[in-house]
Amino acid sequence: DAMVIQNPRYQVTQFGKPVTLSCSQTLNHNVMYWYQQKSSQAPKLLFHYYDKDFNNEADTPDNFQSRRPNTSFCFLDIRSPGLGDAAMYLCATSGTGSTDTQYFGPGTRLTVL
Amino acid sequence: GQNIDQPTEMTATEGAIVQINCTYQTSGFNGLFWYQQHAGEAPTFLSYNVLDGLEEKGRFSSFLSRSKGYSYLLLKELQMKDSASYLCAVLDSNYQLIWGAGTKLIIKP
Repeated sequence: DAMVIQNPRYQVTQFGKPVTLSCSQTLNHNVMYWYQQKSSQAPKLLFHYYDKDFNNEADTPDNFQSRRPNTSFCFLDIRSPGLGDAAMYLCATSGTGSTDTQYFGPGTRLTVL
Repeated sequence: GQNIDQPTEMTATEGAIVQINCTYQTSGFNGLFWYQQHAGEAPTFLSYNVLDGLEEKGRFSSFLSRSKGYSYLLLKELQMKDSASYLCAVLDSNYQLIWGAGTKLIIKP
């Protein structure tokens, strides 16, 4: 089945210790998104890729970086996690149509100790 | 600023009908999405409305009024598995998805 996969599902890290979250997709979608979602809040868009074209949201902290080595994979790097970065991180993909539906992976829940 | 408003929480009874409202003020409008999100899981797509009116999909229906900046999601014959958060999201003039905080729906037997 075509899908969006995120690994790991649960990640625990220590304050200040870099962490990388991964996302892969078999939908062959050109657009990939990273969202941060805290409990009972709306998902917050961090950045998205249109093919290899990287688009950073204006209020995304520099602490968050992303890489997309190919169409299928996208990574979220958190360089120095703080306690406030504990959240669910959602990867989504969509086609190139401007109104195309976004399809989400299962998410990675990040805990910062 | 851009804003999506939904009730924080609603409670309904198994087998009943519930309507979850969403109002929006955005810079432009290119469609409205409803997603379902179970606790600890990712949002899953339910519906997309861009024209006024009601779209029916099995037990779920979604309604849109662009002139009123208003949508609702109607869930019929509620089942326990419908307990989840329901997120309303609007595509603005830049085709950016603006998300509401979601409505937590609690179903009681």
